[in-house]
Parts: sequence; structure tokens; C-alpha cells
Amino acid sequence: EDKVVQSPLSLVVHEGDTVTLNCSYEVTNFRSLLWYKQEKKAPTFLFMLTSSGIEKKSGRLSSILDKKELFSILNITATQTGDSAVYLCAVEGVTDKLIFGTGTRLQVFP
Amino acid sequence: SQTIHQWPATLVQPVGSPLSLECTVEGTSNPNLYWYRQAAGRGLQLLFYSVGIGQISSEVPQNLSASRPQDRQFILSSKKLLLSDSGFYLCAWSRDRGDIQYFGAGTRLSVL
Repeated sequence: EDKVVQSPLSLVVHEGDTVTLNCSYEVTNFRSLLWYKQEKKAPTFLFMLTSSGIEKKSGRLSSILDKKELFSILNITATQTGDSAVYLCAVEGVTDKLIFGTGTRLQVFP
Repeated sequence: SQTIHQWPATLVQPVGSPLSLECTVEGTSNPNLYWYRQAAGRGLQLLFYSVGIGQISSEVPQNLSASRPQDRQFILSSKKLLLSDSGFYLCAWSRDRGDIQYFGAGTRLSVL
């Protein structure tokens, strides 16, 4: 059965800290891995990764995929209170459907 | 640009009552449409997806149904709600299979 596991489940940090969120997966015929940020309602798209070793970067956020070891990490540097959210990882396999992890809840305190 | 609308934002319904949640997409044509449910402490679970008008695929057996009466309209329904139907329902769209999915703001349903 396809599955996506995120860790940690929850993370509490202070502003300015750097955090690393993990996503491991077991999916038949992997096609892509996506990261979303969910603050209160709609998950908003962050990154889509399809190739190993190529870092995607957007401001203080970056992500990389390791298709050999079947995981991805999402890094956030110099965290701000506005980074507080649930970060969702999803993987698309042969079925063209997204399999979501349960998310990592990040809380950033001033 | 494309936008996705969901309504209502919040809904409180008694057990046994019917349900209709609506999702519409603007700014694109023939999108793939999806309904997800997000339960507390669990990942998003795909309920239904549609690749075109009248074409609905169901992912899990349940008390809910979906319909796509128009190209950019996706409706989630139930004839009789159960307590277990409570949750956060999200609609999403993508341009094609395998493309990025974009989500609506969601409907929080409480069945009492």
C-alpha cells in the first residue's frame, strides 16, 4: 500500500531558528513529490520535485528530493512567526493521485 | 488567473439531513477536479475525482457522492449525513493528470 510519512509531527521553535521537515514515502512508480503549506484553510503550493538532488528554492524555503532513499526534506531558514502552519507532503504515483502525509505542525514563537 | 471557490465555509447539520457542497473553478477549462476530506490528525484523503463532465471516480466507499454537472462545477452530496461525515472538506483542481493541484478554502462540516 502506498504511504507517505512525515516527521516530526510537531515542531516548536523561536524566530530565527532553522528547521528541517522530513517526508519519506513508499509509492508505486513515483512521479512527483509536492510540498504544501496549510495555515488555516486552503493548502497552498510550495514546491514540486521530480528529480533527485536538484534543490528547489523560494526565499527562505528550500527542498530537495532523494529518489534512491525515498525521502524529501523541506528547509526553512531564519523562521518567522508567519511560517507557523501545517506543512503537507504529497506524492504522486502510478495512479496519478496524490497520497498525503499527516503533516508537520510548525509553531514559530517570537 | 485561475481561482477556485468553495462554499459554504462552515456548516452544521443534524444527523440524517442531506448535504450539498459546491466547488467552482474560474479561469480555466476542462480542469481535473478533486474532493478531499481532512480529519483531525490524518492526512488528506481523496474521496472523488473527475476528469470531465459527468465523469466521476470514487476512491473510498462511503456515504457521500459527487457530481459534475458543468465543466467547472463539482458538487459533493449526501442524502443522509452520519456523525462520521464530520470533517474538513477540500476541493482542488489541476490542469491535467500529474499537474500541481490547487485547493479551495475548504468547508468545515459538523454533523451533530
